[in-house]
Amino acid sequence: SQQGEEDPQALSIQEGENATMNCSYKTSINNLQWYRQNSGRGLVHLILIRSNEREKHSGRLRVTLDTSKKSSSLLITASRAADTASYFCATPGASRLTFGEGTQLTVNP
Amino acid sequence: EAQVTQNPRYLITVTGKKLTVTCSQNMNHEYMSWYRQDPGLGLRQIYYSMNVEVTDKGDVPEGYKVSRKEKRNFPLILESPSPNQTSLYFCASSSVTGYSNQPQHFGDGTRLSIL
Repeated sequence: SQQGEEDPQALSIQEGENATMNCSYKTSINNLQWYRQNSGRGLVHLILIRSNEREKHSGRLRVTLDTSKKSSSLLITASRAADTASYFCATPGASRLTFGEGTQLTVNP
Repeated sequence: EAQVTQNPRYLITVTGKKLTVTCSQNMNHEYMSWYRQDPGLGLRQIYYSMNVEVTDKGDVPEGYKVSRKEKRNFPLILESPSPNQTSLYFCASSSVTGYSNQPQHFGDGTRLSIL
């Protein structure tokens, strides 16, 4: 089974609104990463948060990590139509990153 | 520009006809990996390589082969493709010391259809 599971599976919002996606994972980690995938394209790394960090910002992105609850959230503020994509959390394993199934975000103009 | 390049981007072929999907990276990364992405199953690792001549199986290696003769290239070989290998394939790379704590760089994907 997947290490990370995103919630919700799909999210539709209006431009300018904030979008929040959640990720839960099962085992202890030393970091968690978020990626974006535009339709038909490869994954693009957004942000990495280490286990000793609780919150991290990058532009309009804000990521939180709660290791006690084994969960992370990705907040996109002031969303734009160009933010429409799938968003994945990824956790490190023995030889690879393990990805969740993603949240499909649609930002309507 | 730092990039991972996959070819072809799209391929429709028939069962049993051997094919190779190439992957090349220009970042001098030691670690390279192949994933397949299927609806409802997410991304699953097929094979990975920690360095030249070092490869190992991922979660779903059956029906695939890889080689790592050069640092920059990591081709995925389907010796006898079958319809259940119809999927979207991604190659990724990162530094070997950081495959788990550094960003992975992905190619744009190869959409394979096996008829």
